[in-house]
Amino acid sequence: GDSVTQMEGPVTLSEEAFLTINCTYTATGYPSLFWYVQYPGEGLQLLLKATKADDKGSNKGFEATYRKETTSFHLEKGSVQVSDSAVYFCALSVKETSGSRLTFGEGTQLTVNP
Amino acid sequence: EPEVTQTPSHQVTQMGQEVILRCVPISNHLYFYWYRQILGQKVEFLVSFYNNEISEKSEIFDDQFSVERPDGSNFTLKIRSTKLEDSAMYFCATLHDGKNTEAFFGQGTRLTVV
Repeated sequence: GDSVTQMEGPVTLSEEAFLTINCTYTATGYPSLFWYVQYPGEGLQLLLKATKADDKGSNKGFEATYRKETTSFHLEKGSVQVSDSAVYFCALSVKETSGSRLTFGEGTQLTVNP
Repeated sequence: EPEVTQTPSHQVTQMGQEVILRCVPISNHLYFYWYRQILGQKVEFLVSFYNNEISEKSEIFDDQFSVERPDGSNFTLKIRSTKLEDSAMYFCATLHDGKNTEAFFGQGTRLTVV
């Protein structure tokens, strides 16, 4: 079945540090890939997405590139801010086999200190 | 910006009681989903709903769970006889159509079974 594996957290960084959160996947079809973010006390929000190989999703300074050869979709940001503190979820969707339902990774708690 | 609304935000119930979790989807969305997140674990798919019927369900979604859209507006998840292990955050998500892969999530209902 489909699965997503994220790097274990929590991750603690200082402001302006470089961020990488690793994500790899297995899928039975051709997935779309997503990063969702959950700020404290809030629901899940789509951060960025990529729907085909070599696509780069980007938003709010975050980027992730769909790498089919390594089945990865690592999240990066060059300079994190305190306001980026949240839980980040990598996810995939394979419309042909799963009706666009999402399969999530375990989530990575990011804390950014001033 | 349109949003998915869930009520209540927090529900405490006694084991064996029935609970109904409510979701108001974005008005022109056609696909509806329930996910749950047990504390400290990953977000898990429960069920998808389209055209007034279940289109897919996970192994978690057993006979004690049901979904419906009783008035064409609210989308509800009913748990008939709650168990301690049903304690979790329940998220509703909606999708505009089958071509749009971005799901919008509500803020979640935290269910505590005591």
